[in-house]
Amino acid sequence: QITLKESGPTLVKPTQTLTLTCTFSGFSLTTSGVGVGWIRQPPGKALEWLALIYWDDDQHYSPSLKSRLTITKDTSKNQVVLTMTNIDPVDTATYFCAHIGLRGEYDYWGQGTLVTVSS
Amino acid sequence: QSVLTQPPSASGTPGQKVTISCSGGSSNVGSNRVNWYQQLPGMAPKLLIYSNNQRPSGVPDRFSGSKSGTSASLAISGLQSEDEADYYCAAWDDRLNGAVFGGGTQLTVL
Repeated sequence: QITLKESGPTLVKPTQTLTLTCTFSGFSLTTSGVGVGWIRQPPGKALEWLALIYWDDDQHYSPSLKSRLTITKDTSKNQVVLTMTNIDPVDTATYFCAHIGLRGEYDYWGQGTLVTVSS
Repeated sequence: QSVLTQPPSASGTPGQKVTISCSGGSSNVGSNRVNWYQQLPGMAPKLLIYSNNQRPSGVPDRFSGSKSGTSASLAISGLQSEDEADYYCAAWDDRLNGAVFGGGTQLTVL
């Protein structure tokens, strides 16, 4: 079955770079049509889409965060990495990664990882 | 301010039917598939409806989705206490070249 798990620091200082890793199993990012996306949710607030990467390395980013985000994949490790530069307290959120189905739906989600930005 | 507009809250009593709306534009709901997610308190979101009106395996048929023009709806019939959750619509946006989510609707079962 498909599983995903996010990992990374729980506490980050402002202006630092945040690196989050999504480790998955049950599918391969070398399979045509497959993708992984990142979504975040500030405490008590709505979901916000961040970025995605497809099997062919096609990448898409949230326009409002594009200058700060980079998404990459390591197919040998079954991982997708999201980096966010110049972190700010407003970036405090639970960060989720999710498998993207063939019709663009986020059909499997990780449990999420809470990242707090504070000095 | 979310690109897709949902009512912030909805409520109903057990057994009732509740409908949650999702309003967008021509670049998102109007031209792409809409998906719905259910998020129980403290949990990760779960895919509830995909491609406007399709239910993943295991989702009860009490949940249904529809789309007309630039608006979509999620209907929950035979409301149950375990349906109390936040519900989000989402779609691809051709103009933004990315996915967009609604602001979420908190459903309360009275």
